[in-house]
Amino acid sequence: DAGITQSPRHKVTETGTPVTLRCHQTENHRYMYWYRQDPGHGLRLIHYSYGVKDTDKGEVSDGYSVSRSKTEDFLLTLESATSSQTSVYFCAISDAGMAEQFFGPGTRLTVL
Amino acid sequence: KNEVEQSPQNLTAQEGEFITINCSYSVGISALHWLQQHPGGGIVSLFMLSSGKKKHGRLIATINIQEKHSSLHITASHPRDSAVYICAVPNYGGSQGNLIFGKGTKLSVKP
Repeated sequence: DAGITQSPRHKVTETGTPVTLRCHQTENHRYMYWYRQDPGHGLRLIHYSYGVKDTDKGEVSDGYSVSRSKTEDFLLTLESATSSQTSVYFCAISDAGMAEQFFGPGTRLTVL
Repeated sequence: KNEVEQSPQNLTAQEGEFITINCSYSVGISALHWLQQHPGGGIVSLFMLSSGKKKHGRLIATINIQEKHSSLHITASHPRDSAVYICAVPNYGGSQGNLIFGKGTKLSVKP
């Protein structure tokens, strides 16, 4: 299995608080992705990175920001969490833009 | 922008049955992905294919580029195959953009 970890795995927080989720990889893959998964929807792309300090928005980026200061770490930040951001968040990596993606175990976030 | 549809949404089968899950998309693509999401939530890539057929164990994936359609087959299904199966394609067709994902087909195989 690809070496991808996510932390925390579970988090409960209150509306209006900042939250940061971390994705860490040991595969030295260039591309990293953050998705959210909600009932009735497929996985939806929030943000992605194509290299250190190189990031771009996905289809559901409003309310989220990302940073990638090292190849191995990709951080997702909710500046002020809202209940609509309650979801399961998956990180994924790939070594090329349209290559096979490897997924982390997911983080279940609940915003009360 | 590409659109991806999977059918059926839910599928219940008896152990040993042959399973077919379908995926259709609207814009021509360079490759299509099939993934499996386990009941515990983990997501695993099964196949990435651009033409013809690929086989891995009891799983077979086919794609018809002209018809914009792919199928995932499971032969001699087993309860451990119970999972959600997801297809994904480039969202702007060809190899452009990022992947968009179908909503998944939930498979339950009964012993």
